[in-house]
Amino acid sequence: DIQMTQSPSALSASLGDRVTIACRASQDIYNSLAWYQQKPGKAPKLLIYDTSNLATGVPSRFSGRGSGTHFTLTITSLQPEDIATYFCQQYEKSSLTFGGGTKVEIK
Amino acid sequence: QVQLQESGPGLVRPSETLSLTCTVSGGSINNFYWGWLRQTPAKGLEWIAYMYHSGSTKYNPSLSSRVTISIDMSTIRFSLKLTSMTPADTAVYFCARLQSVTVPTYFDSWGQGIMVTVSS
Repeated sequence: DIQMTQSPSALSASLGDRVTIACRASQDIYNSLAWYQQKPGKAPKLLIYDTSNLATGVPSRFSGRGSGTHFTLTITSLQPEDIATYFCQQYEKSSLTFGGGTKVEIK
Repeated sequence: QVQLQESGPGLVRPSETLSLTCTVSGGSINNFYWGWLRQTPAKGLEWIAYMYHSGSTKYNPSLSSRVTISIDMSTIRFSLKLTSMTPADTAVYFCARLQSVTVPTYFDSWGQGIMVTVSS
């Protein structure tokens, strides 16, 4: 299986800050990466697919970049509603795997 | 907009079989992959299985000996069976739809999740 490693596991930032979360794959996954946002007690919500394509209705302050084994999710100006845990997921291989998550909190 | 809803027991005894159902509404079950995942604080999000509407299946190798996924086209539901449950299977279980071009990719619609506890 492809291992997905996210960093940091948690971060604290101020409203309006630029926040970047990293996701590393154990092997080349080209651009086969999605990002999800999960709020407490809720199901994950698709944010980004194919590394950089925003899902329907996702604000433009979210963006994704990367290729191969290194990927990032950036929130350009952190808003109160962005407080959540973020997960990456690879789908280059048919055994789908997720990163461990990054919890974003307000400083 | 498609909606998914899990149903099933919240408590399962050790060694028993978990049976969960996901009801799909607001969309067709055709031309999509449908899957099950679970989430625990210790292991995070874990994909369990997915199935195409026409019947092809794929299971997580770590669970494949205990898992069966099936689709009932007439009722627009798909199901999960997980045998020989242990406390390690205690988790929130989600059903979800996968987007695909030729292969399954990302999960674009999710059920709300159902907490399943394994305890005697």
